[in-house]
Amino acid sequence: EVQLVESGGGLVQPGRSLKLSCAASGFTFSNYYMAWVRQAPKKGLEWVATISTSGSRTYYPDSVKGRFTISRDNAKSSLYLQMNSLKSEDTATYYCARHPPYYYDGTYYYDYFDYWGQGVMVTVSS
Amino acid sequence: DVVLTQSPATLSVTPGERISLSCRASESVDTYLHWYQQKPNESPRLLIKYASQSISGIPSRFSGSGSGTDFTLSINGVELEDLSIYYCQQGNSLPFTFGSGTKLEIK
Repeated sequence: EVQLVESGGGLVQPGRSLKLSCAASGFTFSNYYMAWVRQAPKKGLEWVATISTSGSRTYYPDSVKGRFTISRDNAKSSLYLQMNSLKSEDTATYYCARHPPYYYDGTYYYDYFDYWGQGVMVTVSS
Repeated sequence: DVVLTQSPATLSVTPGERISLSCRASESVDTYLHWYQQKPNESPRLLIKYASQSISGIPSRFSGSGSGTDFTLSINGVELEDLSIYYCQQGNSLPFTFGSGTKLEIK
């Protein structure tokens, strides 16, 4: 059974840093791209970051680029999100999610999320 | 960025009804359009991938259609357990974006 368990959330002051972790089990972690998706209170979903299988490629939206860093440790089946210079608008539940590969016409695509963790709350407030 | 517009924002339905939820993209996303269900206080769950491909374990009453800019999620015979918010998401281009959701209420 695929399991994704996030940890590391909490209350943090604006401008400070926080690091989230996601422990994966039930699948071969090193074979999958992974991602973070967040949801502000009572709001919709926002993609935050994606990382390739080896960690050599990372992708971010402009809203977090330069402040957040996604990383992984395949030996530990773990995913991380280092969040710096936090702002009040970063307050959200952060989900760890798996990107399955989709092979089509000679190319692999990683563009949707098939398993999600239970989420971890991050509150940025003074 | 690709903007996904979902309609209606809220839909009140009677159990047993067949319903359709809409997702419209600001530019073509081909069939790189996926649907998720989020029940209250739960994580999202993948319902449909690539506009119309079914997902193992998802009830057959859920189906998807469309391509380009117009997509539909259909529920053939709504059940009480379908009370949720439904989101579409495009994977055609970065940044991945989600629609604002359609909330399904049961009458």
